[in-house]
Amino acid sequence: ETGVTQTPRHLVMGMTNKKSLKCEQHLGHNAMYWYKQSAKKPLELMFVYNFKEQTENNSVPSRFSPACPYSSHFFLHLHTLQPEDSALYLCASSQSWGSYNEQFFGPGTRLTVL
Amino acid sequence: GQQLNQSPQSMFIQEGEDVSMNCTSSSIFNTWLWYKQDPGEGPVLLIALYKAGELTSNGRLTAQFGITRKDSFLNISASIPSDVGIYFCAGQLNSGGSNYKLTFGKGTLLTVNP
Repeated sequence: ETGVTQTPRHLVMGMTNKKSLKCEQHLGHNAMYWYKQSAKKPLELMFVYNFKEQTENNSVPSRFSPACPYSSHFFLHLHTLQPEDSALYLCASSQSWGSYNEQFFGPGTRLTVL
Repeated sequence: GQQLNQSPQSMFIQEGEDVSMNCTSSSIFNTWLWYKQDPGEGPVLLIALYKAGELTSNGRLTAQFGITRKDSFLNISASIPSDVGIYFCAGQLNSGGSNYKLTFGKGTLLTVNP
């Protein structure tokens, strides 16, 4: 399998649930990203990990918790989310964090918080 | 932070027509990227531009990096129904640290009538 994959593709959860989003890339990249995509808004960068180390946290609430145990695997742990957190969550990867930052995106997880 | 103004927000065209969309910024970028997002999928990179004045083609797509480094445009010639989707521009400053982030426009929704 090639490219960036995300699971699950769709997730419905209550505000008290704990769930995790998973992202895998098979491109040999060292930087991985989580973005939030809401209707009629630009993509919002949430987290960046480069060589498994957190490089950017874009003022994301602590109810979102990233984990990157391997350069090829990136998780977003979710707990006590709010309805306004409903959105498409996109994972991306690039060769590394820096110049010529061509990012390749996964298909996204459509999250609905009830 | 930096913001991108992408226009138009949406376009409705007939198959065979040419399309033009653009992005402008209040500050300079060193890299411009153009992505397309199909419904239910993540953005796919179409064209990357790294030098002011650069004009690059990818099939029926042509993009240019503005000479002022504050704008870029994307043209699609002889549109076909599968061109339908949302087109995003993204800029990167490349000057280190958080400036490696991509700043995205809000997207242009393209509809092609057969």
